[in-house]
Amino acid sequence: QVQLQESGPGLVKPSGSLSLTCAVSGASISSTNWWSWVRQPPGKGLEWIGEIFHSGSINYNPSLKSRVTISLDKSKNQFSLKLRSVTAADTAVYYCARVLVGVVGSPFDYWGQGALVTVSS
Amino acid sequence: QSVLTQPPSASGTPGQRVTISCSGSSSNIGSNTVNWYQQLPGTAPKLLIYSNNHRPSGVPDRFSGSKSGTSASLAISGLQSEDEADYYCAAWDDSLNGRVFGGGTKLTVL
Repeated sequence: QVQLQESGPGLVKPSGSLSLTCAVSGASISSTNWWSWVRQPPGKGLEWIGEIFHSGSINYNPSLKSRVTISLDKSKNQFSLKLRSVTAADTAVYYCARVLVGVVGSPFDYWGQGALVTVSS
Repeated sequence: QSVLTQPPSASGTPGQRVTISCSGSSSNIGSNTVNWYQQLPGTAPKLLIYSNNHRPSGVPDRFSGSKSGTSASLAISGLQSEDEADYYCAAWDDSLNGRVFGGGTKLTVL
């Protein structure tokens, strides 16, 4: 069974950087899959942040691209998100998810439980 | 403002059939398939329908999806109280070169 678990600070100061890690078990991040980050502000809908392929290819949401970095750590079987210059608008539950490759539409088939990150001084 | 448009709310009584619409454009739904996710209160989203009309293992056949042109729909038949959740459509957008979601529809079982 594939499991994903987000971890990282729950509170970040404005203008600082948000860093989260997603630990993957039951699957190898070196396998043929994309690994993605999605966020959800309190009481609002889902927003795709970006995703990374096992080869290192990356796609970012154009609206966040200038502030986001997604990376892989194959030795630890995890991937990470860094969001710079955060404001209160970046307060959200951040989810990591696996993209199912080989299926038309490439859906997210496994999700982490989510990590609430609050941007506040 | 979400790229894909969903009604903010829907409702039905137990046993009824409910449909939720998702409207997009030629760069997303019009040229790519649609996935649907169910998010129960306080939990992570769960894949409900992929590739327009396919159900993952374990999803009841009460849930079905369809797509026509630049719109898609999720239908839930035999509505049950446990279906009360938020539902999101999603697709790849060729113009944005990224994934887009609908704003979500909150389904209430009366």
